[in-house]
Amino acid sequence: QQQVKQSPQSLIVQKGGISIINCAYENTAFDYFPWYQQFPGKGPALLIAIRPDVSEKKEGRFTISFNKSAKQFSLHIMDSQPGDSATYFCAVVPTGNAGNMLTFGGGTRLMVKP
Amino acid sequence: DAGVIQSPRHEVTEMGQEVTLRCKPISGHNSLFWYRQTMMRGLELLIYFNNNVPIDDSGMPEDRFSAKMPNASFSTLKIQPSEPRDSAVYFCASMAGVGEQYFGPGTRLTVT
Repeated sequence: QQQVKQSPQSLIVQKGGISIINCAYENTAFDYFPWYQQFPGKGPALLIAIRPDVSEKKEGRFTISFNKSAKQFSLHIMDSQPGDSATYFCAVVPTGNAGNMLTFGGGTRLMVKP
Repeated sequence: DAGVIQSPRHEVTEMGQEVTLRCKPISGHNSLFWYRQTMMRGLELLIYFNNNVPIDDSGMPEDRFSAKMPNASFSTLKIQPSEPRDSAVYFCASMAGVGEQYFGPGTRLTVT
């Protein structure tokens, strides 16, 4: 499977602050970059996703920034809230017939302090 | 829709026993995925099916693991014989579009 490196492993942010999670991938043959959010005891849930033909996508307080040349993409959570405390996973989806498969990063455990 | 349904939610078994995990995907989704999640290895894709046919099982750790999808609304993941290192949370997910996988609540397996 392709490598996706995610950092940091854990992150503590004060309420109202900005949370930033980064991912780097090792292959250019991907055409979809989703982020998943997982609360304790639950399965991951799709949060936001971007395709490589755009450099940024924003949905509410969540923004993905994508740098194709650097093979990096990041999740920014603006005005972080305690309810955002969860584990976040970036993922990549290969191009072509294997496009159904997700390869996940190692995850970032975010804690937002009130 | 009730979402992806998995059973049991928790399973505790002794080493050497057979374990069967069950999954009902969201109606109309034609791809189904089995994942394993551990602290050490994170989320690992074990196998995925498209239109009930296994497409990629390269993530299945060894022959003790097997998966079936006899119809569009049911899949099983079987471990026989189970070992303590199989302890993990096993997720089933089904897919509507590329990358848009919907995960079930998971089965927490403990093998003693």
